[in-house]
Amino acid sequence: DTGVSQNPRHKITKRGQNVTFRCDPISEHNRLYWYRQTLGQGPEFLTYFQNEAQLEKSRLLSDRFSAERPKGSFSTLEIQRTEQGDSAMYLCASSLAGKSYEQYFGPGTRLTVT
Amino acid sequence: AQSVTQLGSHVSVSEGALVLLRCNYSSSVPPYLFWYVQYPNQGLQLLLKYTSAATLVKGINGFEAEFKKSETSFHLTKPSAHMSDAAEYFCAVSHSGNTPLVFGKGTRLSVIA
Repeated sequence: DTGVSQNPRHKITKRGQNVTFRCDPISEHNRLYWYRQTLGQGPEFLTYFQNEAQLEKSRLLSDRFSAERPKGSFSTLEIQRTEQGDSAMYLCASSLAGKSYEQYFGPGTRLTVT
Repeated sequence: AQSVTQLGSHVSVSEGALVLLRCNYSSSVPPYLFWYVQYPNQGLQLLLKYTSAATLVKGINGFEAEFKKSETSFHLTKPSAHMSDAAEYFCAVSHSGNTPLVFGKGTRLSVIA
């Protein structure tokens, strides 16, 4: 068990550029979640998967955001045409549905849009 | 809809003093409740969870929390604060434990020597 990993840890991009983040969950975990955390706030849910199926998307997830988990293992979150308001920490978590109620979080990817 | 309110965005205690961080929740179904801790520039680490078993839940690092349905509360306590407890603490709720978490805004705990 190597924990949840996220890459990159930091990303600085210019407004209008596209960015993609990757999350590798704990290997046997079938659920994977994306959250966004802005300064001074708690994390806010974006979307989550069970295996490769995307089960729910928050209304926070505009059409510039897309997430996928093609083989039910790692996941990617892409933001197109980034805006300054997208600057935040993007957190990934994973869990094993039906076995425990714990979500394990990765270290996050901090995005800064200039 | 579920929600969490954490009273006090910043709590300061002396080393060795009692830590009390407050959390009230709103849920239309029996809730699953969690406390997470976040150190600077790191992800969240689970401290403890309530999943409808014992109402007094013990977690890591000497923390515990009590579920009080009548007060819709799940306050976090620790008898004696250590300097290493200084961090941001988040209370969260979900309706089944394996569904998305709804977080409070967090409470920053400072420990004074």
